[in-house]
Amino acid sequence: AQSVTQLGSHVSVSEGALVLLRCNYSSSVPPYLFWYVQYPNQGLQLLLKYTSAATLVKGINGFEAEFKKSETSFHLTKPSAHMSDAAEYFCAVTNAGNNRKLIWGLGTSLAVNP
Amino acid sequence: DAGVIQSPRHEVTEMGQEVTLRCKPISGHNSLFWYRQTMMRGLELLIYFNNNVPIDDSGMPEDRFSAKMPNASFSTLKIQPSEPRDSAVYFCASSLMGGTGNTGELFFGEGSRLTVL
Repeated sequence: AQSVTQLGSHVSVSEGALVLLRCNYSSSVPPYLFWYVQYPNQGLQLLLKYTSAATLVKGINGFEAEFKKSETSFHLTKPSAHMSDAAEYFCAVTNAGNNRKLIWGLGTSLAVNP
Repeated sequence: DAGVIQSPRHEVTEMGQEVTLRCKPISGHNSLFWYRQTMMRGLELLIYFNNNVPIDDSGMPEDRFSAKMPNASFSTLKIQPSEPRDSAVYFCASSLMGGTGNTGELFFGEGSRLTVL
């Protein structure tokens, strides 16, 4: 069975500081991995995805994530936080087969302090 | 291009009333998902359809909840009778599943915020 663990339900950084949001997964088959962002009072939108191509994936708004199979991790990073990055971030995994139902992490709330 | 469209955006109702939430998926998508989001439980998958057929409804809380997808461009989630514990934001999402190159990415609507008094 697949699962996703997001370490830290709340992360706080200063504006301009590095953002690191952690995601570990378990999967018995090659995974597809996703990061979604949810701004207040909005639906979720895709930040980036890993689909077995390049292990370093670049997404929107300067975010990137690296797939590390040996560590079963897919951590999300951004070199310099901006106030507008304050949001809820969700990591999700699905398999590469026909049943691609997403398994979600519980989310990490990112606060950016001036 | 229009995204996933949900209505109503906000609904306030009294306990015992029927609630119907509506969703129009992105044209061409073959899968539709209903999620519920609360502070306590986070994001929960209620049901998903593939080609208008319910595939997995194991997340539907109880018989008070029902969902239909009469055609590829419309789905409803109904709660009857509603209870205060049903208060949540309900999201609809659609996706193009299956086939090579399709990664299962979900496209979400903006949600329907339900408050049951």
